[in-house]
Amino acid sequence: EVLLVESGGGLVRPGGSLRLSCAASGFTFSTYSMNWVRQAPGKGLEWVSSISSGSDYIYYADSLKGRFTISRDNTKNSLYLQMNSLRAEDTAVYYCARGGSGTYIWDYWGQGTLVTVSS
Amino acid sequence: QTVVTQEPSLTVSPGGTVTLTCTSSTGAVTSGHYPNWFQQKPGQAPRSLIYSTSNKHSWTPARISGSLLGGKAALTLSGVQPEDEAEYYCLLYYPGARVFGGGTKLTVL
Repeated sequence: EVLLVESGGGLVRPGGSLRLSCAASGFTFSTYSMNWVRQAPGKGLEWVSSISSGSDYIYYADSLKGRFTISRDNTKNSLYLQMNSLRAEDTAVYYCARGGSGTYIWDYWGQGTLVTVSS
Repeated sequence: QTVVTQEPSLTVSPGGTVTLTCTSSTGAVTSGHYPNWFQQKPGQAPRSLIYSTSNKHSWTPARISGSLLGGKAALTLSGVQPEDEAEYYCLLYYPGARVFGGGTKLTVL
């Protein structure tokens, strides 16, 4: 069974940093691209970042470049999102989602982790 | 900045058919945008329905299908069931980026 479990969310002050993790199991993690998506309260889905299976290709939403960094550790079956200089508008549920293994497919999603940026 | 547009809301009767669309501000949506469709119910994580325009996942109900229609990506639900009431999102691929549509709230009434 494919499982994606996010962690690391919580309350952080504006300007602070947070590192989210996504623990993957039930599949060969090292052969799949992975994605981060966020959803602000009452709003739609927003793509955050994507990383290829071997970390060769990394993409970010233009609005987040320079503040967020995606990474992965294939030896630990884990995906990460380092978030710096956080703002109130970064408050959202952050989801990790599995991408394709050589295909343009999104299939499995985690349950999400809530990040709240507030003083 | 690329914008992907969906109908904000649609209403369909039980047993009816409805088509949701997904438009790109850059021009016609093609198979090269690899349209994906997702369903999200309140308080739940999104669930993937369709990938690469028209391909279904093993869990996608047979009554749900994806296509290209008049320069747009389309998601058609036939024989709509009450449990189809949800928010639906499309996702398009662009060079170096992926963009979600704003979502369509589907009401079954």
